Amino acid sequence: GGIITQTPKFLIGQEGQKLTLKCQQNFNHDTMYWYRQDSGKGLRLIYYSITENDLQKGDLSEGYDASREKKSSFSLTVTSAQKNEMAVFLCASSIPGEQYFGPGTRLTVL
Amino acid sequence: AQKVTQTQTSISVVEKTTVTMDCVYETRDSSYFLFWYKQTASGEIVFLIRQDSYKKENATVGHYSLNFQKPKSSIGLIITATQIEDSAVYFCAMRENYGNEKITFGAGTKLTIKP
Repeated sequence: GGIITQTPKFLIGQEGQKLTLKCQQNFNHDTMYWYRQDSGKGLRLIYYSITENDLQKGDLSEGYDASREKKSSFSLTVTSAQKNEMAVFLCASSIPGEQYFGPGTRLTVL
Repeated sequence: AQKVTQTQTSISVVEKTTVTMDCVYETRDSSYFLFWYKQTASGEIVFLIRQDSYKKENATVGHYSLNFQKPKSSIGLIITATQIEDSAVYFCAMRENYGNEKITFGAGTKLTIKP
């Protein structure tokens, strides 16, 4: 078995601030993902990476940057946080066939 | 571009009955993969079941099964003998052909199981 760890669990930032979310997995999976989930809504793909140093844009990549410097870690940066932006950011890793999700980082922008 | 649609926003059924959740998808690929995930009240998301487009048999795992209707681009999730703990939000998802790791999710269906 394995686990996906996301840090921090809660993130509070100011409008215009650059904020970074981190994700670690010990499954040894090649592919990792970042999703945004607004309250009561579905998952929207921000970025994904099929291997170390690879980055692929999802449908919601504007306003975000990502980094995959190691196979086990995938970081997401909110380049300029928007006021009243509240969402849960979910990291996942996958083998071909199914994804494993982390517990999420809940972002609040004041 | 791939698209996944779940039109049922919420469903409520009595415990021990059978429930079906609908999902339709759009893709230009002849080969693709369909998934169902469950998100519990705590926010945890877990993989439930998968259907590969080239397989004619409907997938079954425990009390979850799929109703795959390829001509209708439809993949319904059937839960039999429902239990209170099946109450959750269920997401349908799709991945297109081999080598493309992008996965698209539907908006989700909230299932409530009543005693």
